[in-house]
Amino acid sequence: GNSVTQMEGPVTLSEEAFLTINCTYTATGYPSLFWYVQYPGEGLQLLLKATKADDKGSNKGFEATYRKETTSFHLEKGSVQVSDSAVYFCALSGSARQLTFGSGTQLTVLP
Amino acid sequence: NAGVTQTPKFQVLKTGQSMTLQCAQDMNHEYMSWYRQDPGMGLRLIHYSVGAGITDQGEVPNGYNVSRSTTEDFPLRLLSAAPSQTSVYFCASSSAGTGGYEQYFGPGTRLTVT
Repeated sequence: GNSVTQMEGPVTLSEEAFLTINCTYTATGYPSLFWYVQYPGEGLQLLLKATKADDKGSNKGFEATYRKETTSFHLEKGSVQVSDSAVYFCALSGSARQLTFGSGTQLTVLP
Repeated sequence: NAGVTQTPKFQVLKTGQSMTLQCAQDMNHEYMSWYRQDPGMGLRLIHYSVGAGITDQGEVPNGYNVSRSTTEDFPLRLLSAAPSQTSVYFCASSSAGTGGYEQYFGPGTRLTVT
């Protein structure tokens, strides 16, 4: 079956630091890949997505590239802000349209 | 558009009680689903529906029931609440036309079973 493994947290960074959250997946076929973000007390919001190999998703300064050869979709941001503090989930969607989530990574950015 | 709405936001139940978590969407999405979120486990799929009158089980369906009589509504019923069902519940929807099957989430219902 499908599975997603993402970097364990929590991650604590200083403002303007570089962020990487690793995500690898196991899936049959050609899944679509997503990063969702959850701010405290809220539901999940789509941050970015990629639907085929070598696609790069980007939004709000965050980027992730769909790497089929390494089955990875690592999330990066060059300079994090305090407002980026949240929980980040990597997820994949296979042919059945169901989302399979990683366990989430808590990010805290200190001023 | 309100998007995906869920009620209630918070609920406390005693073991053995039943209740229904409400979910509605106004985007005319045919696909809807329920997840539960537990610490360190991400979100796990409980039940899903690909259209009115059609439902199926996800990864953790035991103790929950669903029905889909309209496109807009997808209620989740807890038949006899147990402490193991203490969790945060999210409803989501998506459209067949959405690239990569992006799902839109509601704000969640935080349920405590004592």
